[in-house]
Amino acid sequence: ETGVTQSPTHLIKTRGQQVTLRCSSQSGHNTVSWYQQALGQGPQFIFQYYREEENGRGNFPPRFSGLQFPNYSSELNVNALELDDSALYLCASSFDIMREQYFGPGTRLTVT
Amino acid sequence: EDQVTQSPEALRLQEGESSSLNCSYTVSGLRGLFWYRQDPGKGPEFLFTLYSAGEEKEKERLKATLTKKESFLHITAPKPEDSATYLCAVQAFQGAQKLVFGQGTRLTINP
Repeated sequence: ETGVTQSPTHLIKTRGQQVTLRCSSQSGHNTVSWYQQALGQGPQFIFQYYREEENGRGNFPPRFSGLQFPNYSSELNVNALELDDSALYLCASSFDIMREQYFGPGTRLTVT
Repeated sequence: EDQVTQSPEALRLQEGESSSLNCSYTVSGLRGLFWYRQDPGKGPEFLFTLYSAGEEKEKERLKATLTKKESFLHITAPKPEDSATYLCAVQAFQGAQKLVFGQGTRLTINP
């Protein structure tokens, strides 16, 4: 069984640019959640997708947006990058919205 | 607002020296409390889910317990490979099915 995968592993962008991060959920999982983790902190919830619909959003500005595809893979898009967006971005999938979430390895984004 | 506080922030033990990590929480209707292990530069690894006060779960040298206000992760006779950051998170019944995480406890086991 393949676990959650994310791409790319690392990314360096300049302030003001746009970035797209990708996530493939674990086989059989229909729910994907995205989290931002700053160094030394716990992950912070960005949003969740359930069967291609947004199912909740954390305290992040609209320049953070996402998509879930029919195969339940997902994208996180961030526009107008700011220095504070530098973090580890984690994708987690679950069998359903009420089940435990399994995390991918993350994408390390650095904004200069 | 749902909140999770973990203590201590960091803990250094000798191999074989048992201890406990604490997770205090406030949540409007707890659906579940989750423990994860995170190694440096990697994603969190799922360990346990606890649903109600009095529940206990065990896995190798780890045992998680839950009360109405806090959870403990007990580590018995730890080994150096148990060194990691341990994260606690809660999920509420209402609203988005998000996980609200604490800041984690960084555990180091010296040989």
